[in-house]
Amino acid sequence: EVQLLESGGGLVQPGGSLRLSCGASGFKLTTYAMSWVRQPPGKGLEWVSSISVSGDSTFYADSVKGRCTISRDSSENTLFLLMNSLADEDTAVYYCAKGAADGMDVWGQGTTVTVSS
Amino acid sequence: QSVLTQPPSASGTPGQRVTITCSGNSSNIGSSYVYWYQQLPGTAPKLLIYRNIQRPSGVPDRFSGFKSGTSASLAISGLRSEDEADYYCSAWDDSLSGPVFGGGTKLTVL
Repeated sequence: EVQLLESGGGLVQPGGSLRLSCGASGFKLTTYAMSWVRQPPGKGLEWVSSISVSGDSTFYADSVKGRCTISRDSSENTLFLLMNSLADEDTAVYYCAKGAADGMDVWGQGTTVTVSS
Repeated sequence: QSVLTQPPSASGTPGQRVTITCSGNSSNIGSSYVYWYQQLPGTAPKLLIYRNIQRPSGVPDRFSGFKSGTSASLAISGLRSEDEADYYCSAWDDSLSGPVFGGGTKLTVL
């Protein structure tokens, strides 16, 4: 069964950093584009970042550009999102998803990031 | 403010047909496929419609997608209580180099 499982969320102070992980099972994530999408409390979905199939190209929303880095580890079959200089508006549930430009057909259950002092 | 525009709410009674609209521009819907996601309360989003009109395996044919120009719509026929959820449209945006989402439509089954 194709599954994604996020981890790494938690409470972090403003200005802090966090690395989110997304473990894939049932498929090799290096054969698909992968994305991170977030959802602030009570609000809608917001795309954060994507990585191409080859891994050579990465894309970021303007709201996180320069503060976030998407990457993957083929040996661990895991996707990562490193977030720096976190602010209140980064508080959200972060989902990883299989796919990008051609839709996201598998989603993880999400991991919660709370930025607060 | 979302790039794609959806009505915040929609409602219908069991058995009815409901349509949810999604409006964009030439940089997104006008030049890309449209995708629809269903998010049941407390769960992760699920792909409902891809490439404007296609349904993933397991999605009932009560759900159908349409696209014309810079707008799209999702129709749900034979409304059921389990369809009560938030629905999001999405499309790739050439100017932003990433997918954009609508603000979501909360569907209530009366």
